[in-house]
Amino acid sequence: GAVVSQHPSRVICKSGTSVKIECRSLDFQATTMFWYRQFPKQSLMLMATSNEGSKATYEQGVEKDKFLINHASLTLSTLTVTSAHPEDSSFYICSARDYTGTGGYGYTFGSGTRLTVV
Amino acid sequence: AQTVTQSQPEMSVQEAETVTLSCTYDTSESDYYLFWYKQPPSRQMILVIRQEAYKQQNATENRFSVNFQKAAKSFSLKISDSQLGDAAMYFCAYRNTNAGKSTFGDGTTLTVKP
Repeated sequence: GAVVSQHPSRVICKSGTSVKIECRSLDFQATTMFWYRQFPKQSLMLMATSNEGSKATYEQGVEKDKFLINHASLTLSTLTVTSAHPEDSSFYICSARDYTGTGGYGYTFGSGTRLTVV
Repeated sequence: AQTVTQSQPEMSVQEAETVTLSCTYDTSESDYYLFWYKQPPSRQMILVIRQEAYKQQNATENRFSVNFQKAAKSFSLKISDSQLGDAAMYFCAYRNTNAGKSTFGDGTTLTVKP
């Protein structure tokens, strides 16, 4: 089935530094990827939609300059948290629309990245 | 805007028993998709079952089945013969066919008692 590989799974960074999270679709072309943020025992909050070769579409309230999204190829989307602060600590998940049919028009999710800013 | 409501923050079930998780949604669209996802402690989101709104027949996947009531905008998940591995957080999700974005409910934490 369709697989989305997300790295790193865990990262700890110092306040003020930037962190890049990668999501790769391994066996299909993901023209669209979605980035979510999830706090403990809470729902997934959509941050932005990235489309290959164009600018990402951010949800209301999400800072574009803080959460930089790049989708330069059909198999790779990246989320960079710039000038990270402790309040950015969270679980970040990417997902891609699976056109292979195995996902049944659902989304295939990455395994998530736990970001801790100290 | 579409909303998805899961009114049961926590549920528990005895192993081998049956449990039903509730989900209601609000939309003005006539064509859409509904999903149940499972998020175990590993936090990997796993698709459990999906339902296309235009299909009247309720979807079934082995021990998992849904009760889709389109007029009532209800989409409940029934887990039969519950297993310890079913313990997880379950999310109901709505997706408009064209928009491609999903709206998730707040989740239901399912505990399976041995």
